[in-house]
Amino acid sequence: QKEVEQDPGPLSVPEGAIVSLNCTYSNSAFQYFMWYRQYSRKGPELLMYTYSSGNKEDGRFTAQVDKSSKYISLFIRDSQPSDSATYLCAMSAVNQGAQKLVFGQGTRLTINP
Amino acid sequence: GAGVSQSPRYKVAKRGQDVALRCDPISGHVSLFWYQQALGQGPEFLTYFQNEAQLDKSGLPSDRFFAERPEGSVSTLKIQRTQQEDSAVYLCASSFEHRYGNTIYFGEGSWLTVV
Repeated sequence: QKEVEQDPGPLSVPEGAIVSLNCTYSNSAFQYFMWYRQYSRKGPELLMYTYSSGNKEDGRFTAQVDKSSKYISLFIRDSQPSDSATYLCAMSAVNQGAQKLVFGQGTRLTINP
Repeated sequence: GAGVSQSPRYKVAKRGQDVALRCDPISGHVSLFWYQQALGQGPEFLTYFQNEAQLDKSGLPSDRFFAERPEGSVSTLKIQRTQQEDSAVYLCASSFEHRYGNTIYFGEGSWLTVV
């Protein structure tokens, strides 16, 4: 079993819909949680960063972390065709070395106009 | 430069050939990382440098993989005697400091195909 599990999709929704993406993890030492967006043939780009549990909002994006359930989510409101990409969750723990990230498999998202 | 620069962007190697992949991080960035991303998978950690020191190489899959950053800026990932299972995208990333919370910037990757 992988340390970080993420449904690969694909996920297809109409423009304007609310999108919910999520990951589960098994390593209770993870303290730093990130969401990256990766367009085709490009490198991952950091979207959201959260430390420990709680919510964080940035524009149309909201990240949630529930450490008790080992579950993290990313919500996209008013989704746009330009949001079509692969979304990767990533996590790290202090005892694994500085900023060594463990990624999920990625969820491929398509927003249909 | 404006971002993390990697070269070559695409490389086709015959099985058994040696390859070298170059990463030019953002100027002034202390930390440098290499990740391997197989098709349809998330990136997997290979190795980490703080300046010229390789502090973690736990993710390198075999002794055919070697990375260096001799002057604390440009880094090279070398793969000897390539095998088909080495086919992947190799991503380089850098960050300003080694503290947690610093944004890690990824390059566009070097796409390696071993035939």
